[in-house]
Amino acid sequence: GENVEQHPSTLSVQEGDSAVIKCTYSDSASNYFPWYKQELGKRPQLIIDIRSNVGEKKDQRIAVTLNKTAKHFSLHITETQPEDSAVYFCAASLLGGYNKLIFGAGTRLAVHP
Amino acid sequence: DAGVTQSPTHLIKTRGQHVTLRCSPISGHKSVSWYQQVLGQGPQFIFQYYEKEERGRGNFPDRFSARQFPNYSSELNVNALLLGDSALYLCASSGTGGETQYFGPGTRLLVL
Repeated sequence: GENVEQHPSTLSVQEGDSAVIKCTYSDSASNYFPWYKQELGKRPQLIIDIRSNVGEKKDQRIAVTLNKTAKHFSLHITETQPEDSAVYFCAASLLGGYNKLIFGAGTRLAVHP
Repeated sequence: DAGVTQSPTHLIKTRGQHVTLRCSPISGHKSVSWYQQVLGQGPQFIFQYYEKEERGRGNFPDRFSARQFPNYSSELNVNALLLGDSALYLCASSGTGGETQYFGPGTRLLVL
């Protein structure tokens, strides 16, 4: 069935370092890949997304890369700050019809000052 | 501009009871999706509604049902509650294009 695997489950970095979170999806038909940030007790918030016709997308300190052949996509956060500490979820979806999001299990990122 | 709203914020029920959770989408959004998030896991898709019709259903038992109203708000109903139904229930709305799903704050359900 449809599945998204996410690694690592926890990630600890020093402020200013980079953080990378990786996801693999199983359904080759998936064509939309959003990333959500969820702070403790709060709603998931979209931070960046990418469609399958694009290999990379960047928004300030955040970037996402997609390798369709390998069915991998990754989140890159540069110059991390303590406020980046949260749980990050990747998801995969097939646009058209209905686009249910299949989520990974999440990565708990801790940025230490 | 109001985001997605959900009510109630917290709920405590006992096994066997039923529960109704409510969601109001962002103004202008016609699609509502429901997700269950168990502690320490990613959200799991339950239902999606568009223009009051069910468009998709996840791998959940028939105890779970939902509906969407003419004003695009939605209800999620869960019957015969089990301990394992304890979770954060998230509602997400999306516009006509259907891409980005915006989440509400969730309803935290505890079944004792």
